[in-house]
Amino acid sequence: AQSVTQPDIHITVSEGASLELRCNYSYGATPYLFWYVQSPGQGLQLLLKYFSGDTLVQGIKGFEAEFKRSQSSFNLRKPSVHWSDAAEYFCAVVDNQAGTALIFGKGTTLSVSS
Amino acid sequence: DAGVIQSPRHEVTEMGQEVTLRCKPISGHDYLFWYRQTMMRGLELLIYFNNNVPIDDSGMPEDRFSAKMPNASFSTLKIQPSEPRDSAVYFCASSFARSGEGGYTFGSGTRLTVV
Repeated sequence: AQSVTQPDIHITVSEGASLELRCNYSYGATPYLFWYVQSPGQGLQLLLKYFSGDTLVQGIKGFEAEFKRSQSSFNLRKPSVHWSDAAEYFCAVVDNQAGTALIFGKGTTLSVSS
Repeated sequence: DAGVIQSPRHEVTEMGQEVTLRCKPISGHDYLFWYRQTMMRGLELLIYFNNNVPIDDSGMPEDRFSAKMPNASFSTLKIQPSEPRDSAVYFCASSFARSGEGGYTFGSGTRLTVV
C-alpha cells in the first residue's frame, strides 16, 4: 500500500543547532513531495515542494529538502534552528500516476531547547 | 484573498446531534479537500471535489458523514448523528490542481468535540 513514513515522532534540538527530519515514501513512480508545518492550534503551511529537476529544493523560513530516489527519501533540513521553529512537521506525497490527492505522514514534533 | 475560511472554529455538541462544518475555498481554486486530524490516525483525507463534483469519497468513514459543494465558493461537511469518536480537528483545503503544483492552502480548522 502507498504510505509516507516519518520515523521520528518527537525530536528536540538546541537553538542554533542543525536539524534533519526524516521522511520515506513507498510509491512506484516518482511522487510529488511536500513538507508542511503546523503551529499549535493553526492550519498547515507549505514549507517547500518537489516535482522534478534539481533534487535539492529551497523553501521558506530557511528550510531545504533533498529528494533521494535510491533511498525513497525526502528529508527536511535547516542549518540553524530558531526557537520559533518549534512546531509539528508533516511530510506529504501526491502519487500523480495513481491520481491520488495529498497523503500525509504522521508528523514529527520539533521542540527547541535554549 | 483571505485564504480558506472555515467555520466554526470550535464546536461542542452532544452525541446524536447533527453537526455541520463549513468551508469557503480560495476564489479560483478548482479543488477542495476535507481532512480530519486525530492523535491516533494523523491527517486523513475524507473527500475531495473538482469543480464542485465529488471525485473521491473513499476516506469518508461511514454513512453518517456527508459532504456537499453546491457552488464554487462553499462546501459543507455534515455528521449525522455525531458520536464521541468523531471528535477531531477537521481541515478544509483548496488548490488549483489535485497534484498540488501550487500547494494546497489549508484553513485554520474546526475543532469538534462530541460529548
